[in-house]
Amino acid sequence: NAGVTQTPKFQVLKTGQSMTLQCAQDMNHEYMSWYRQDPGMGLRLIHYSVGAGITDQGEVPNGYNVSRSTTEDFPLRLLSAAPSQTSVYFCASSRRTGQAGELFFGEGSRLTVL
Amino acid sequence: TQLLEQSPQFLSIQEGENLTVYCNSSSVFSSLQWYRQEPGEGPVLLVTVVTGGEVKKLKRLTFQFGDARKDSSLHITAAQPGDTGLYLCAGPLTGTASKLTFGTGTRLQVTL
Repeated sequence: NAGVTQTPKFQVLKTGQSMTLQCAQDMNHEYMSWYRQDPGMGLRLIHYSVGAGITDQGEVPNGYNVSRSTTEDFPLRLLSAAPSQTSVYFCASSRRTGQAGELFFGEGSRLTVL
Repeated sequence: TQLLEQSPQFLSIQEGENLTVYCNSSSVFSSLQWYRQEPGEGPVLLVTVVTGGEVKKLKRLTFQFGDARKDSSLHITAAQPGDTGLYLCAGPLTGTASKLTFGTGTRLQVTL
């Protein structure tokens, strides 16, 4: 059972470099989202998608881009990395339900920007 | 500004002790969820509470949703080392039900 798969698990970037964090789910979930986790701040929503072709901003979207061309994949792009983007990033998916559905999370991607 | 504030931030107790973790907000939520996260892993759902005043039990864990649906608590009876982890409450933001905002988290350590 793969669930939600994130790659890479670890990445070190220099300021100004770009990269893409990959996220794939095999549960046919309509809803996918990206969170960042920083000490003492819990999880903060970056971007989310309610289905293929539909994306929207979360609480902290600046500096990040997303797209959703298929139901399965939801990549997160950093166009010009900054030290403030050093964090652990989590991708999550859920069935789209009337009430808050269960979020299934990947194992996380730890990003360090020097 | 976090919509959901948790207390305490850190809790270190011995095996067998009881504890309560709180999740508070000035906003009304249609439901609240509790997740547990272990090091190197993503959070895993423990429970969802949807009705004001609702109490749910999961073995030694008791979850309560406040009558006004602005707060929730998690009580653990006779804590065990396996309960160690980061506990997060979460509630849906307006718009999409799965668009969750998370609390600041409570890190629990249970020692022998």
